[in-house]
Amino acid sequence: GENVEQHPSTLSVQEGDSAVIKCTYSDSASNYFPWYKQELGKRPQLIIDIRSNVGEKKDQRIAVTLNKTAKHFSLHITETQPEDSAVYFCAASISNFGNEKLTFGTGTRLTIIP
Amino acid sequence: EAQVTQNPRYLITVTGKKLTVTCSQNMNHEYMSWYRQDPGLGLRQIYYSMNVEVTDKGDVPEGYKVSRKEKRNFPLILESPSPNQTSLYFCATKKGQLTYEQYFGPGTRLTVT
Repeated sequence: GENVEQHPSTLSVQEGDSAVIKCTYSDSASNYFPWYKQELGKRPQLIIDIRSNVGEKKDQRIAVTLNKTAKHFSLHITETQPEDSAVYFCAASISNFGNEKLTFGTGTRLTIIP
Repeated sequence: EAQVTQNPRYLITVTGKKLTVTCSQNMNHEYMSWYRQDPGLGLRQIYYSMNVEVTDKGDVPEGYKVSRKEKRNFPLILESPSPNQTSLYFCATKKGQLTYEQYFGPGTRLTVT
């Protein structure tokens, strides 16, 4: 089955600096890669996603890049703000008829230092 | 308001006492799934359902059962809970096959003593 590794497990950055979280996946058939943000005591919420036919996607201060050859994808947060402090999860999915499993990484606790 | 609800939100129980955690959605989504979240392990998929009467195992199905008799509900059943099932459980839904975004419920914190 799919295996997703996520690094680092904790990350502290100064407010205004950039943060990068990296994930690798094992199954070359995976075709969908979402990133979820989970604030303390809350449910995970999708912040950005990318599909395998795209190399990069950006939404304001966040961006995701995908390298299918190397089987890794990354989340980039620029101009970090205190409200970016949360746990971030990457995931990988093979989304096709008859197979809808979503495998998550183990999470990165991001702390923004004011 | 579109939402995913779970009940109960918190539960403390004893080993071996059967319990059910309910999940309900009002978005007419075909796909529903259960995850457990444990420190250092992230979210792991327990079971998922692509539609009524269609269910399949995720990565950690042992000790759990599910049913999907109607579209809006997807209960998670623990026939004989054990302490290693102490966890935070999330139900999630998405519209259907080949759609992508999953919407999570608020979570159920289960403690088995």
